[in-house]
Amino acid sequence: DIQMTQSPPSLSASVGDRVTITCRASQDINNYLAWYQQNPGKVPKLLIYAASTLQSGVPSRFSGSGSGTDFTLTISSLRPEDVATYYCQKYDRVPYTFGQGTKLEIK
Amino acid sequence: EVQLVQSGAEVKKPGESLKISCNGSGYSIINYWIGWVRQMPGKGLELMGIIYPADSETRYSPSFQGQVTISVDKSINTAYLQWTSLKASDTAMYYCARPGRSGWYFDLWGRGTLVTVSS
Repeated sequence: DIQMTQSPPSLSASVGDRVTITCRASQDINNYLAWYQQNPGKVPKLLIYAASTLQSGVPSRFSGSGSGTDFTLTISSLRPEDVATYYCQKYDRVPYTFGQGTKLEIK
Repeated sequence: EVQLVQSGAEVKKPGESLKISCNGSGYSIINYWIGWVRQMPGKGLELMGIIYPADSETRYSPSFQGQVTISVDKSINTAYLQWTSLKASDTAMYYCARPGRSGWYFDLWGRGTLVTVSS
């Protein structure tokens, strides 16, 4: 099975910082990659699909890029409400595996 | 409003059976796949399996094959996740979720059902 590895596992950044989270697939998954945000105690929320398509209603400070095996989620200017754990998910073929998550905190 | 409404929290003992539900509200689930996602305490998301209500085609992730049963009752617009003999390690939050229009990502989530298994 294809493994999804996120890095870093956790990070701390200041309000206004540019934040980048990486997701690497162990094999080529084309652009079948989604990103989710899970605020503490909340339900996961879809941010991005097809590696770079912003889900309706998601703030434009979130963006995604990449194709093949290497993908990034970028928050252009960090806000306090962005404190969350972020997950990538591949969906090219079963199993539709999630990454292990990246926990983002505010300094 | 289109939403997935999940059944309430459950507290069970090891060895007991359980069936939790996910009701489609504001839309018919028949022609939309529904998935079940596990989140163990303090851990990440794991897709357990998905079901297509129109014909009950079900696909399980390898780790969950034989451990749970996913089913659907079209007449009441509801999907289910079932255990025949719970273990303490089944303690988790369980989400149902609906895939998006263009792929197997999940754009609609239920609020989750917390299952606690303890003697």
